[in-house]
Amino acid sequence: QQQVKQSPQSLIVQKGGISIINCAYENTAFDYFPWYQQFPGKGPALLIAIRPDVSEKKEGRFTISFNKSAKQFSLHIMDSQPGDSATYFCAARISGNKLVFGAGTILRVKS
Amino acid sequence: KAGVTQTPRYLIKTRGQQVTLSCSPISGHRSVSWYQQTPGQGLQFLFEYFSETQRNKGNFPGRFSGRQFSNSRSEMNVSTLELGDSALYLCASSLESGYNEKLFFGSGTQLSVL
Repeated sequence: QQQVKQSPQSLIVQKGGISIINCAYENTAFDYFPWYQQFPGKGPALLIAIRPDVSEKKEGRFTISFNKSAKQFSLHIMDSQPGDSATYFCAARISGNKLVFGAGTILRVKS
Repeated sequence: KAGVTQTPRYLIKTRGQQVTLSCSPISGHRSVSWYQQTPGQGLQFLFEYFSETQRNKGNFPGRFSGRQFSNSRSEMNVSTLELGDSALYLCASSLESGYNEKLFFGSGTQLSVL
C-alpha cells in the first residue's frame, strides 16, 4: 500500500514533442507529490510538486495533473528538449521528509 | 550557497567490514534524510534526522544507523557489510521537516561491497 507505480519505464520523444509520465498510488495518507529529475552521476533534483487538493500545477514547460479520485498523477513536459533527457521519478510523502519513490522513467529526447 | 556535500564520493569495501558516510547539509538546513538507490530497488528511504533526533526510519535492518550533530551534519554507518549493500547512498537536506518542504539531494556516495 506504500508503493507508487510509475510508467512507462522508458520513453523516447522527438524534440518539441510532449513527454508524459504517469504514476499511481494506493495510500490515501500521502499528502504531497513531488517529481524529481536525475542526471547521471548526480542526485535527484526537485522539478515540481503538487498537493492533493490541487488538480493541476504548471511551472514553465512542466505540468503536473492530479486526479485524487483515481489516485493518479502525471508529469507533462511540453516542447521537450534534448537537455530534458534524464531519469524522472515521481514520489509521495508519508511523513516528515520520508518519500516513497516510483521506479523511474528514462526519458530520451531525440533532436 | 553551497549544496549538499557528501563524502567520500566513492568507496570500496569488503564483506563484513563497516563503513561511515558523511553528509554536510545546505547551510541553515536542519533536516537531513538518507536514501539508498539501487538499480533493482530504486530509491528507498533509510532515515531522517531533525535537530539531532531521528524523526523517521525506513525498513532497513539495524546494521544501518545514523546520527546528526549539533551543526546539522550527519553520518550514516553500515556495519557488517553485505554484497547487497552496494548502492548509491544519497543524502538530502531541507530547512525544516515536513509538508511542502523542498528536499535538496547531494550527488551521493557510491559504495561497492566486494
